[in-house]
This record gives sequence, C-alpha cells and structure tokens, in this order.
Amino acid sequence: ETGVTQTPRHLVMGMTNKKSLKCEQHLGHNAMYWYKQSAKKPLELMFVYNFKEQTENNSVPSRFSPECPNSSHLFLHLHTLQPEDSALYLCASSQGVTATDTQYFGPGTRLTVL
Amino acid sequence: AQSVTQLGSHVSVSEGALVLLRCNYSSSVPPYLFWYVQYPNQGLQLLLKYTTGATLVKGINGFEAEFKKSETSFHLTKPSAHMSDAAEYFCAVSLGGSQGNLIFGKGTKLSVKP
Repeated sequence: ETGVTQTPRHLVMGMTNKKSLKCEQHLGHNAMYWYKQSAKKPLELMFVYNFKEQTENNSVPSRFSPECPNSSHLFLHLHTLQPEDSALYLCASSQGVTATDTQYFGPGTRLTVL
Repeated sequence: AQSVTQLGSHVSVSEGALVLLRCNYSSSVPPYLFWYVQYPNQGLQLLLKYTTGATLVKGINGFEAEFKKSETSFHLTKPSAHMSDAAEYFCAVSLGGSQGNLIFGKGTKLSVKP
C-alpha cells in the first residue's frame, strides 16, 4: 500500500449503530487530519493530530470521536449519528502542521446515515 | 477571518480551450494559497501552492496560478484543456507559518467537451 488509505470506502449505518472509520498513511508523516465533505459545502476540517496528540477540534459534535494510536493510524468512531452527518469523510496526512507541509489525502469513506 | 470564494460551481470548456477557474480570498495577513484537484472517487491532490516569492506558480498537469494581492485573487489557468482535466477543483487558503490549517472554497466542477 502506498499513500493514504481509508477503509471502508462505503458505509451505510442506522442512527443507533456504532461504527469506525480507519485511515492509514504509508508516508512516514507525523500529522493526520479528518475532514468532512458535504454536497455544496466547503471541506470542513474536523480534527488534527500531530505526533499522536490532538491539536485541533473544530467544534465537532461528540458523536464523532477520533483516536490516533500512532502517527500512521487514525480512526473516527461514530455513534448515534444523524442523517445530516451523511457525507464523504476524508483523511489526510502531512509531515508537519505548518502551511508549507503539503497535505496528502486518502480517497475517503462515503457515509450514509439512515 | 479567512474565507475563500470560488466563482462558478460548474465550468464547461471545449477540449483545447483555455481553462480559467476563479478564486478570491479574504485574509488579514499575507496568505498561503493552494489549488487541489479531486477526480471522481478519489481524494484531493495538490496541484500547486503559493507561499512566498514569485507570484506566478506552476503546478502539475500544465496548470498555473497567479497571486494578485491587489485583487485578492489566485485564479487557476491552463492554456489548453484536455479530457482528463475533468474533475472538481478546490481553492484553499491558510494563514501561513505555523498555521497550516486550510480553509477551502466550495469547489468548481470542470467539464471538458470533446
């Protein structure tokens, strides 16, 4: 595997389910990100981790719970979601968190909440 | 606060024609500016970025963009469109320096007609 991978690519869940999204980066980077991409809205930054420590939580509801066990893996645990949470969830990684550190994106997980 | 405006959610050009995708930003400090491309069912890929120095920036696949401070613009151009350029394009801004968080525009979907 190369670059940034995400699993699953598609997920359908009910409002009472618990599921997790997984992201893995094979680039040796130190920073990882979760973004939400909804139709007709700009990409929204959700969380940033740098060296496994969360450095940014962009006022995300607690039904989204991130976990970063090491610099290569990032999870997004989902619980009691709402239909408006249906979106494409993108993971990204970068060497550092400065503006000159290019972010590399995974293909995303398409989430549908019924 | 920073913001990004992309004029035109959908642009259609003929193969071989000029591609012009517009991006205007607002920022209280000199910004770092980015263009990303997203092909169907894929994550975002960096096309080019402006940090400091030369205001005309060349990127991959023949694209370039010019930072015009007086117009607060960072329009993306390509002299001759190719069918493979059909994708969605996102402009983004960051504060620069240690502030690497990206603020994205809503995106412009480019269609290329044969």
